[in-house]
Amino acid sequence: KAGVTQTPRYLIKTRGQQVTLSCSPISGHRSVSWYQQTPGQGLQFLFEYFSETQRNKGNFPGRFSGRQFSNSRSEMNVSTLELGDSALYLCASSPEGQGAWGYTFGSGTRLTVV
Amino acid sequence: SQQGEEDPQALSIQEGENATMNCSYKTSINNLQWYRQNSGRGLVHLILIRSNEREKHSGRLRVTLDTSKKSSSLLITASRAADTASYFCATHQGAQKLVFGQGTRLTINP
Repeated sequence: KAGVTQTPRYLIKTRGQQVTLSCSPISGHRSVSWYQQTPGQGLQFLFEYFSETQRNKGNFPGRFSGRQFSNSRSEMNVSTLELGDSALYLCASSPEGQGAWGYTFGSGTRLTVV
Repeated sequence: SQQGEEDPQALSIQEGENATMNCSYKTSINNLQWYRQNSGRGLVHLILIRSNEREKHSGRLRVTLDTSKKSSSLLITASRAADTASYFCATHQGAQKLVFGQGTRLTINP
């Protein structure tokens, strides 16, 4: 079966702009989580959605937001981009988001803010 | 903040040797998971060990968990060049999220 698909793979944006990243989970998976990976902070949890509801949110400013659609596809949005938002953004899907069976990650979107 | 601390941060060994990575964490967990990442790409789930388990095997991988010491280890036996990657432990504490360590960068030399 198809894996987790993230688009786009690479993105270059200018400070102050906004960006939307997309994630399509494995078919049948209802939970989608987002993580930010940077050399300095490592992998940090952004938020998790299940059945179109945000169930958990990490310690990120309100510029970071997300949503999930009825087909479980998810988008995350970052507004007013800052240089520090440059990172690899990873999406993970799981059947229920409780971590009992592990998560399947996409290949990520590498965002560069200039 | 990172929950897990991994040791060593970097490890370089010869092909065919065994590689051992360690992970420590701070709070009680539901399970602990190990992931591999190649060159800044996505994470690949390797193995999950539940809090009531002490050891688990998957192919050339062996994971141990000591909840009294809040630590885990990942052993890769008979290493191959293709095992070159970063390895992360991640704990699942009941909320719908994983908390990752900083990772161990493993290099297998031919």
